[in-house]
Amino acid sequence: SAVISQKPSRDICQRGTSLTIQCQVDSQVTMMFWYRQQPGQSLTLIATANQGSEATYESGFVIDKFPISRPNLTFSTLTVSNMSPEDSSIYLCSVLWGPTGADTQYFGPGTRLTVL
Amino acid sequence: SQQGEEDPQALSIQEGENATMNCSYKTSINNLQWYRQNSGRGLVHLILIRSNEREKHSGRLRVTLDTSKKSSSLLITASRAADTASYFCATDAQGGSNYKLTFGKGTLLTVNP
Repeated sequence: SAVISQKPSRDICQRGTSLTIQCQVDSQVTMMFWYRQQPGQSLTLIATANQGSEATYESGFVIDKFPISRPNLTFSTLTVSNMSPEDSSIYLCSVLWGPTGADTQYFGPGTRLTVL
Repeated sequence: SQQGEEDPQALSIQEGENATMNCSYKTSINNLQWYRQNSGRGLVHLILIRSNEREKHSGRLRVTLDTSKKSSSLLITASRAADTASYFCATDAQGGSNYKLTFGKGTLLTVNP
Protein backbone atom coordinates (compact mmCIF):
# COMPACT_ATOMS: atom_id res chain seq x y z
CA SER A 1 0.00 0.00 0.00
CA ALA A 2 1.01 3.65 -0.31
CA VAL A 3 2.87 5.08 2.69
CA ILE A 4 1.32 8.33 3.89
CA SER A 5 2.72 10.74 6.46
CA GLN A 6 1.16 13.79 8.05
CA LYS A 7 2.60 16.77 9.88
CA PRO A 8 2.05 17.76 12.58
CA SER A 9 0.79 14.67 14.36
CA ARG A 10 -0.94 16.86 16.93
CA ASP A 11 -1.25 20.49 17.90
CA ILE A 12 -2.95 22.71 20.41
CA CYS A 13 -3.98 26.08 19.01
CA GLN A 14 -5.67 29.25 20.17
CA ARG A 15 -8.99 30.28 18.72
CA GLY A 16 -8.79 32.68 15.82
CA THR A 17 -5.51 31.28 14.54
CA SER A 18 -4.88 28.99 11.55
CA LEU A 19 -3.07 25.69 11.19
CA THR A 20 -1.72 24.09 8.04
CA ILE A 21 -1.53 20.30 7.92
CA GLN A 22 0.74 18.57 5.46
CA CYS A 23 0.20 15.21 3.79
CA GLN A 24 3.01 13.42 1.95
CA VAL A 25 2.68 10.19 -0.05
CA ASP A 26 5.56 7.98 -1.15
CA SER A 27 3.98 7.33 -4.56
CA GLN A 28 2.34 9.50 -7.18
CA VAL A 29 -1.42 9.29 -6.76
CA THR A 30 -4.21 10.91 -8.68
CA MET A 31 -6.78 11.17 -5.93
CA MET A 32 -6.12 12.65 -2.50
CA PHE A 33 -8.76 13.48 0.08
CA TRP A 34 -9.14 15.23 3.41
CA TYR A 35 -11.44 13.95 6.16
CA ARG A 36 -12.45 15.23 9.57
CA GLN A 37 -13.26 13.06 12.55
CA GLN A 38 -14.86 14.95 15.40
CA PRO A 39 -14.50 13.54 18.93
CA GLY A 40 -16.29 10.20 19.27
CA GLN A 41 -17.63 10.44 15.73
CA SER A 42 -17.03 8.82 12.39
CA LEU A 43 -15.20 10.30 9.42
CA THR A 44 -16.65 12.98 7.18
CA LEU A 45 -15.17 13.89 3.81
CA ILE A 46 -14.14 17.55 3.65
CA ALA A 47 -12.87 17.76 0.09
CA THR A 48 -11.03 16.14 -2.76
CA ALA A 49 -7.62 17.70 -3.40
CA ASN A 50 -7.19 18.06 -7.17
CA GLN A 51 -3.72 18.44 -8.61
CA GLY A 52 -3.40 21.66 -10.55
CA SER A 53 -6.91 22.89 -9.87
CA GLU A 54 -9.16 23.97 -7.05
CA ALA A 55 -10.29 21.40 -4.51
CA THR A 56 -13.80 19.97 -4.67
CA TYR A 57 -15.60 20.58 -1.39
CA GLU A 58 -18.41 18.57 0.15
CA SER A 59 -21.60 20.10 1.40
CA GLY A 60 -20.99 22.04 4.59
CA PHE A 61 -17.32 22.77 3.90
CA VAL A 62 -16.03 25.90 2.19
CA ILE A 63 -12.73 27.01 0.74
CA ASP A 64 -12.42 30.07 2.98
CA LYS A 65 -12.48 27.89 6.07
CA PHE A 66 -10.51 24.92 4.72
CA PRO A 67 -8.20 26.06 1.91
CA ILE A 68 -6.40 23.15 0.26
CA SER A 69 -3.31 23.03 -1.91
CA ARG A 70 -2.17 20.18 -4.18
CA PRO A 71 1.01 21.31 -5.92
CA ASN A 72 1.97 17.84 -7.20
CA LEU A 73 0.93 14.19 -7.17
CA THR A 74 2.58 13.34 -3.84
CA PHE A 75 1.74 16.28 -1.58
CA SER A 76 -1.21 18.25 -0.27
CA THR A 77 -1.95 20.70 2.52
CA LEU A 78 -5.13 21.50 4.41
CA THR A 79 -5.42 24.74 6.35
CA VAL A 80 -7.95 25.12 9.14
CA SER A 81 -8.60 28.87 9.25
CA ASN A 82 -9.86 31.14 12.00
CA MET A 83 -10.19 28.19 14.33
CA SER A 84 -12.80 27.76 17.03
CA PRO A 85 -13.14 24.99 19.64
CA GLU A 86 -15.64 23.28 17.31
CA ASP A 87 -12.76 22.61 14.93
CA SER A 88 -11.13 20.31 17.47
CA SER A 89 -10.93 17.04 15.54
CA ILE A 90 -8.64 14.55 13.96
CA TYR A 91 -7.87 15.51 10.37
CA LEU A 92 -6.87 12.70 8.05
CA CYS A 93 -5.67 12.64 4.49
CA SER A 94 -6.21 9.63 2.29
CA VAL A 95 -5.26 8.48 -1.19
CA LEU A 96 -6.88 6.22 -3.70
CA TRP A 97 -4.41 3.56 -4.72
CA GLY A 98 -4.32 -0.02 -5.85
CA PRO A 99 -2.48 -2.37 -8.21
CA THR A 100 -5.71 -3.68 -9.71
CA GLY A 101 -7.41 -0.36 -10.03
CA ALA A 102 -7.64 2.63 -7.76
CA ASP A 103 -10.46 1.50 -5.55
CA THR A 104 -8.95 1.31 -2.08
CA GLN A 105 -8.44 4.34 0.11
CA TYR A 106 -5.43 4.37 2.38
CA PHE A 107 -5.24 6.82 5.23
CA GLY A 108 -2.49 8.79 6.89
CA PRO A 109 -1.90 8.66 10.65
CA GLY A 110 -4.00 11.76 11.26
CA THR A 111 -3.44 15.15 12.89
CA ARG A 112 -5.11 15.62 16.26
CA LEU A 113 -6.08 19.26 16.63
CA THR A 114 -7.25 20.84 19.87
CA VAL A 115 -8.50 24.42 19.78
CA LEU A 116 -8.68 26.30 23.08
CA SER B 1 -28.23 10.09 7.36
CA GLN B 2 -25.34 7.69 7.63
CA GLN B 3 -24.90 5.30 4.71
CA GLY B 4 -23.21 2.75 6.95
CA GLU B 5 -24.40 1.86 10.41
CA GLU B 6 -22.45 -0.58 12.52
CA ASP B 7 -23.73 -2.60 15.36
CA PRO B 8 -23.07 -3.16 18.08
CA GLN B 9 -21.70 0.24 19.02
CA ALA B 10 -19.47 -1.43 21.57
CA LEU B 11 -18.39 -5.03 22.09
CA SER B 12 -16.31 -6.48 24.90
CA ILE B 13 -14.97 -10.03 24.69
CA GLN B 14 -12.26 -12.24 26.15
CA GLU B 15 -9.07 -13.06 24.31
CA GLY B 16 -9.51 -16.13 22.13
CA GLU B 17 -13.20 -15.52 21.49
CA ASN B 18 -14.61 -14.51 18.12
CA ALA B 19 -15.94 -11.02 17.48
CA THR B 20 -18.67 -10.25 14.99
CA MET B 21 -19.55 -6.75 13.88
CA ASN B 22 -22.33 -5.83 11.49
CA CYS B 23 -22.81 -2.99 9.05
CA SER B 24 -25.97 -1.93 7.27
CA TYR B 25 -26.27 0.58 4.47
CA LYS B 26 -29.05 2.22 2.56
CA THR B 27 -28.20 2.58 -1.11
CA SER B 28 -26.70 0.24 -3.70
CA ILE B 29 -22.93 0.12 -3.58
CA ASN B 30 -19.88 -0.64 -5.67
CA ASN B 31 -17.65 -1.75 -2.81
CA LEU B 32 -17.68 -2.03 0.95
CA GLN B 33 -14.52 -1.63 2.97
CA TRP B 34 -13.65 -2.31 6.59
CA TYR B 35 -11.13 -0.23 8.51
CA ARG B 36 -9.58 -0.40 11.97
CA GLN B 37 -8.64 2.62 14.06
CA ASN B 38 -6.53 2.37 17.18
CA SER B 39 -7.05 5.03 19.85
CA GLY B 40 -8.04 7.86 17.52
CA ARG B 41 -5.12 7.41 15.20
CA GLY B 42 -5.08 6.78 11.45
CA LEU B 43 -7.27 4.19 9.79
CA VAL B 44 -5.84 0.87 8.72
CA HIS B 45 -7.46 -0.72 5.71
CA LEU B 46 -8.52 -4.28 6.47
CA ILE B 47 -10.45 -5.62 3.53
CA LEU B 48 -12.47 -4.57 0.49
CA ILE B 49 -15.39 -6.61 -0.77
CA ARG B 50 -17.03 -5.86 -4.09
CA SER B 51 -20.76 -5.83 -4.64
CA ASN B 52 -20.58 -9.05 -6.69
CA GLU B 53 -18.72 -10.92 -3.95
CA ARG B 54 -20.37 -12.66 -1.03
CA GLU B 55 -17.48 -13.59 1.21
CA LYS B 56 -13.84 -12.74 1.61
CA HIS B 57 -11.09 -13.89 3.95
CA SER B 58 -7.86 -12.32 5.09
CA GLY B 59 -5.97 -14.08 7.86
CA ARG B 60 -8.24 -14.10 10.92
CA LEU B 61 -10.76 -11.83 9.22
CA ARG B 62 -13.85 -12.98 7.40
CA VAL B 63 -16.17 -10.51 5.71
CA THR B 64 -19.56 -11.32 4.24
CA LEU B 65 -21.77 -9.16 2.09
CA ASP B 66 -25.49 -9.56 1.51
CA THR B 67 -26.58 -7.00 -1.05
CA SER B 68 -30.21 -8.08 -0.83
CA LYS B 69 -30.23 -7.10 2.84
CA LYS B 70 -27.76 -4.25 2.33
CA SER B 71 -25.59 -5.56 5.12
CA SER B 72 -22.11 -6.83 5.81
CA SER B 73 -20.43 -8.54 8.71
CA LEU B 74 -16.84 -8.63 9.91
CA LEU B 75 -15.75 -11.66 11.90
CA ILE B 76 -12.47 -11.68 13.77
CA THR B 77 -11.58 -15.17 14.93
CA ALA B 78 -9.39 -16.06 17.91
CA SER B 79 -9.24 -12.45 19.03
CA ARG B 80 -6.19 -10.93 20.69
CA ALA B 81 -5.78 -7.98 23.00
CA ALA B 82 -4.08 -6.18 20.10
CA ASP B 83 -7.37 -6.33 18.18
CA THR B 84 -8.78 -3.76 20.60
CA ALA B 85 -9.78 -0.85 18.35
CA SER B 86 -12.69 0.84 16.62
CA TYR B 87 -13.88 -0.81 13.44
CA PHE B 88 -15.62 1.12 10.66
CA CYS B 89 -17.34 0.08 7.49
CA ALA B 90 -17.29 2.43 4.52
CA THR B 91 -19.27 2.27 1.32
CA ASP B 92 -19.14 3.98 -2.02
CA ALA B 93 -22.46 4.45 -3.76
CA GLN B 94 -23.20 2.68 -7.01
CA GLY B 95 -23.43 5.13 -9.86
CA GLY B 96 -21.52 7.74 -7.93
CA SER B 97 -17.84 8.47 -7.75
CA ASN B 98 -16.11 5.36 -6.53
CA TYR B 99 -13.92 7.39 -4.25
CA LYS B 100 -16.55 9.09 -2.16
CA LEU B 101 -16.68 6.93 0.93
CA THR B 102 -19.41 7.17 3.52
CA PHE B 103 -18.42 5.83 6.90
CA GLY B 104 -20.52 4.22 9.56
CA LYS B 105 -20.33 5.24 13.21
CA GLY B 106 -18.07 2.36 14.11
CA THR B 107 -17.93 -0.45 16.64
CA LEU B 108 -15.56 -0.15 19.59
CA LEU B 109 -14.12 -3.61 20.24
CA THR B 110 -12.40 -4.34 23.52
CA VAL B 111 -10.55 -7.64 23.84
CA ASN B 112 -9.72 -8.42 27.45
CA PRO B 113 -6.59 -10.45 28.14
